[in-house]
Amino acid sequence: EPEVTQTPSHQVTQMGQEVILRCVPISNHLYFYWYRQILGQKVEFLVSFYNNEISEKSEIFDDQFSVERPDGSNFTLKIRSTKLEDSAMYFCASGAGLAGDYNEQFFGPGTRLTVL
Amino acid sequence: QKEVEQNSGPLSVPEGAIASLNCTYSDRGSQSFFWYRQYSGKSPELIMSIYSNGDKEDGRFTAQLNKASQYVSLLIRDSQPSDSATYLCAVSPGYSTLTFGKGTMLLVSP
Repeated sequence: EPEVTQTPSHQVTQMGQEVILRCVPISNHLYFYWYRQILGQKVEFLVSFYNNEISEKSEIFDDQFSVERPDGSNFTLKIRSTKLEDSAMYFCASGAGLAGDYNEQFFGPGTRLTVL
Repeated sequence: QKEVEQNSGPLSVPEGAIASLNCTYSDRGSQSFFWYRQYSGKSPELIMSIYSNGDKEDGRFTAQLNKASQYVSLLIRDSQPSDSATYLCAVSPGYSTLTFGKGTMLLVSP
């Protein structure tokens, strides 16, 4: 069964450093998302991406964050200058965008980001 | 502010019993409703989606939606210890973001 993949599974970085989290969405899916989950808290939306552009972003997704779809398969999240509070599990999700599926989203296994 | 509320639990049920999980939401414009299961340290796994008022059954799972009351529920019949996890309710206005609740922890004892 097709699935979303993410790399790396765990990233440790120093405060102020740049990190890039990578995702390969399910083939033929049209909608791509990043969410994060701080330990013990709820899953929070960061950004959605459709037709090669950001379609929606949350207040969390400030100028330190950017997303890119550099080729036909990868979808990346870059954090330019990490802060301690960026430590969280980051999930990539994708959705087919088919009529009638009403936005079912399938999540990858996540990247645990630890900022020291 | 769009809110999704769930009782954090834990909800403890014996093996073979019916587990009932509830969720309320604030945004009347919500069109799509989802239940995800999340094991500790893992990612959310989609188990049910529902879009119309009423019940939707899939195996041991039944989702119920009442848009007038802004209420979604999930019933798990014949609960198994492997069902022990946190169940996340998520709502969406359409082809857009998911707003999640904090989740309800379910514990199924053998």
